[in-house]
Amino acid sequence: DQQVKQNSPSLSVQEGRISILNCDYTNSMFDYFLWYKKYPAEGPTFLISISSIKDKNEDGRFTVFLNKSAKHLSLHIVPSQPGDSAVYFCAASAITTSGTYKYIFGTGTRLKVLA
Amino acid sequence: DTAVSQTPKYLVTQMGNDKSIKCEQNLGHDTMYWYKQDSKKFLKIMFSYNNKELIINETVPNRFSPKSPDKAHLNLHINSLELGDSAVYFCASSRGRDRGLYGYTFGSGTRLTVV
Repeated sequence: DQQVKQNSPSLSVQEGRISILNCDYTNSMFDYFLWYKKYPAEGPTFLISISSIKDKNEDGRFTVFLNKSAKHLSLHIVPSQPGDSAVYFCAASAITTSGTYKYIFGTGTRLKVLA
Repeated sequence: DTAVSQTPKYLVTQMGNDKSIKCEQNLGHDTMYWYKQDSKKFLKIMFSYNNKELIINETVPNRFSPKSPDKAHLNLHINSLELGDSAVYFCASSRGRDRGLYGYTFGSGTRLTVV
C-alpha cells in the first residue's frame, strides 16, 4: 500500500526555468511533509518541510505548496540550476502505534536541469 | 567531517552468511534509524532507536537485529543472508523523535549484494 506517490519518474527542465515536482498522498493524518534531494552514491539530503497546518513554505529558490483537500504537494525550484539535477524524494511524517514518528517516502523523481 | 558515516560502503557476500553494517553520527542527535531502499527505489524504515531504546520496529524478518551501544552508534546485524536482502541500507539520525520539522541526516548508504 503506497501511501506517498510520485507519479513522474523523471523530469527535464531548461536552466533558469521553473521545476515543479509533484507528490500525492492518501493518509489525511500525515503531520508534516518533507522533500529530500539525492545525488548518486550519496544519502538523501533534507531540503524543506511543511506542516500540515500550512499551505506554503519558502526557502530561497525552493517553495513547497500543500493542498490538503487534494492530498497533493509540490516542490517548486526557481530558477533551476544544473546543480539541482538529482533525485527528489517526497516524504510524509506519520505517527506510529508507539507514539513516535516515521517518514514514509515516495519513489522519487529524477530531475535533470539542462544547461 | 562526516556527520553520519556508515561502513562498509559496499558489501558483497554469499547467501547464508552473517554480516554487520556499522553507523556512527557526530551530530549529537539522540535518535537513529535504519532504512532500506529496494530495487524499486522504495525507501522503507526498518528500525529506530532513541537514546538506545528501540522505538520503531517495522515488519522486518528477525534475521535483522539492530544494536545501539550508545546514542551515537546504531549497527545492523543480518543473519543467514538471502538474495532478497540485496539493497541499499541507509542509516540516519535526527534531533529527537522528529515529526518533520528538522528532517533526518542520512549516511551515504551501504550497498549490500547477496550472491
